[in-house]
Amino acid sequence: NAGVTQTPKFQVLKTGQSMTLQCAQDMNHNSMYWYRQDPGMGLRLIYYSASEGTTDKGEVPNGYNVSRSTTEDFPLRLLSAAPSQTSVYFCASSYSGGLSNEQFFGPGTRLTVL
Amino acid sequence: AQKVTQAQTEISVVEKEDVTLDCVYETRDTTYYLFWYKQPPSGELVFLIRRNSFDEQNEISGRYSWNFQKSTSSFNFTITASQVVDSAVYFCALSPTSGGYNKLIFGAGTRLAVHP
Repeated sequence: NAGVTQTPKFQVLKTGQSMTLQCAQDMNHNSMYWYRQDPGMGLRLIYYSASEGTTDKGEVPNGYNVSRSTTEDFPLRLLSAAPSQTSVYFCASSYSGGLSNEQFFGPGTRLTVL
Repeated sequence: AQKVTQAQTEISVVEKEDVTLDCVYETRDTTYYLFWYKQPPSGELVFLIRRNSFDEQNEISGRYSWNFQKSTSSFNFTITASQVVDSAVYFCALSPTSGGYNKLIFGAGTRLAVHP
């Protein structure tokens, strides 16, 4: 099992460009999440998906979009990149309804917006 | 309000010292989970421990130990005889069971530097 995979690992964008960060999991988890990590602020939830076909906003959703058309994939779209979106992005998955609430994290994508 | 506070932003110790990282949480849920994650310089998040709110037993794993006290809403992490490889950012996180999904609320993290 690969667990949670993210591509790309690094990305540099110019202001106004759009792009999609890819996330996939092979653990058959029903829930998936996107976080951003900024210095001194821990991880903040951008969007989450409780199951295939559903998505909900987290704490900091502005400027992003997501979809969940399959159980395995949960892409994060930056609609028009801004320097404030420079951050490290983590995708995670979990099995909701289990006993532990544990989330499994991908390796992260470091994004720089110039 | 649901919140995790890690008051120590940075800690610097010399190898072999013991160090305790503090974590204080707030939640109105009676059932919840607490986690510690390590983020080494390479950037990935490494799961260290999970504790549910009904289990207040302290846990020891090698040089790591955790002290969970519901009375003070704290879940502190101690590294005994620290080593340079322990240098990392450590995150405490709270997962309340209300809200319909596995919400995970992170503290801001504590950066630990262990010097030879």
